[in-house]
Amino acid sequence: AQSVSQHNHHVILSEAASLELGCNYSYGGTVNLFWYVQYPGQHLQLLLKYFSGDPLVKGIKGFEAEFIKSKFSFNLRKPSVQWSDTAEYFCAVITNTGGFKTIFGAGTRLFVKA
Amino acid sequence: KAGVTQTPRYLIKTRGQQVTLSCSPISGHRSVSWYQQTPGQGLQFLFEYFSETQRNKGNFPGRFSGRQFSNSRSEMNVSTLELGDSALYLCASSRLAGGQRETDTQYFGPGTRLTVL
Repeated sequence: AQSVSQHNHHVILSEAASLELGCNYSYGGTVNLFWYVQYPGQHLQLLLKYFSGDPLVKGIKGFEAEFIKSKFSFNLRKPSVQWSDTAEYFCAVITNTGGFKTIFGAGTRLFVKA
Repeated sequence: KAGVTQTPRYLIKTRGQQVTLSCSPISGHRSVSWYQQTPGQGLQFLFEYFSETQRNKGNFPGRFSGRQFSNSRSEMNVSTLELGDSALYLCASSRLAGGQRETDTQYFGPGTRLTVL
């Protein structure tokens, strides 16, 4: 069965530190990849997505992610985090097995210390 | 424009009962997807409706069903509730159906928190 793994469930960083959240998926076919963020008290919202083309994708608020097909990975990065980046981050994949389905990772809770 | 709305926001039911949750998508959006979020299982895809037709379905038992109306509003029904159905149920809307979202974005609602006692 297809799955999405997020390596870290909880991450604590100080402001200005660099961030990298890991995401790996298990599916050999064509995938569409997403990162979503849920800020405290807010709805889940899209950070960035990859469908095709340049494997380095830039999203909102200075986030970027790199699709490495050979590693089945789609890691999220930000060079310098801010206190306002405190949130839960979800990696997601859309596969086309028996119809298009979105599979989410378990999420990573990021806490940024001011 | 108004976002995705879900009603009710909170619900308490007892085992064996049934429940209906409602989702109103963003105006102009024809796709509505439903997800179940629990601490143990995370976010799991339930099903997607597009133009009143179920397009995709996750791996949930038949107790979970849904429908979509001509105005794109969607309802999700869970019959014979079990304790394990306690979860946050999220709905998301988009213009296009699943798998066609390169030029589209899925917007999530605030969710309905269902507690089964």
